[in-house]
Amino acid sequence: DQQVKQNSPSLSVQEGRISILNCDYTNSMFDYFLWYKKYPAEGPTFLISISSIKDKNEDGRFTVFLNKSAKHLSLHIVPSQPGDSAVYFCAASAVVNNDMRFGAGTRLTVKP
Amino acid sequence: NAGVTQTPKFQVLKTGQSMTLQCAQDMNHNSMYWYRQDPGMGLRLIYYSASEGTTDKGEVPNGYNVSRLNKREFSLRLESAAPSQTSVYFCASSETLTGYYGYTFGSGTRLTVV
Repeated sequence: DQQVKQNSPSLSVQEGRISILNCDYTNSMFDYFLWYKKYPAEGPTFLISISSIKDKNEDGRFTVFLNKSAKHLSLHIVPSQPGDSAVYFCAASAVVNNDMRFGAGTRLTVKP
Repeated sequence: NAGVTQTPKFQVLKTGQSMTLQCAQDMNHNSMYWYRQDPGMGLRLIYYSASEGTTDKGEVPNGYNVSRLNKREFSLRLESAAPSQTSVYFCASSETLTGYYGYTFGSGTRLTVV
């Protein structure tokens, strides 16, 4: 059962514009939500996280929004840069069972 | 550079062969993990070790065994490889189990079973 879903396999945006990556989840027990970035032939790199008690967390150009009632989170990248081109994974973790679940990933391409 | 080191980076096995994937971290993290990544599936947890001396099953443990050799090292063993185990394997570590500050991943082992 895929408890974390990223329904868009790919996204293409112009440099300088906003990138919005979306993620849905089904398990209401998740306590933390995270975004990872992955370049080819490398492991995922942690980007930003948010606790389930918050609805927004910012770190520079990256902002994560959480809508618990809709079981939805999103990652906003503003402004987008060509170096942001990578696969982005959404993940969720529940303290009770120590099991971090990942979505299938969204490939972001930022065009110059 | 500090981080998680995985060996080997690539491996081809015949069905039925065995092998051990090695992982070591130098960040003094307590928890370590093994994930596999398959197309369209994201990363799935195979086994994890909350601390030295403990290991637990994850989402897809069948066909694998693990050993937490010491605080630094966490190995994954395939006793009798099957084509369904063709995948990219990632080792990761974190200071705590909750993972709020994210996991640090190695660069992966690409395994093909023929």
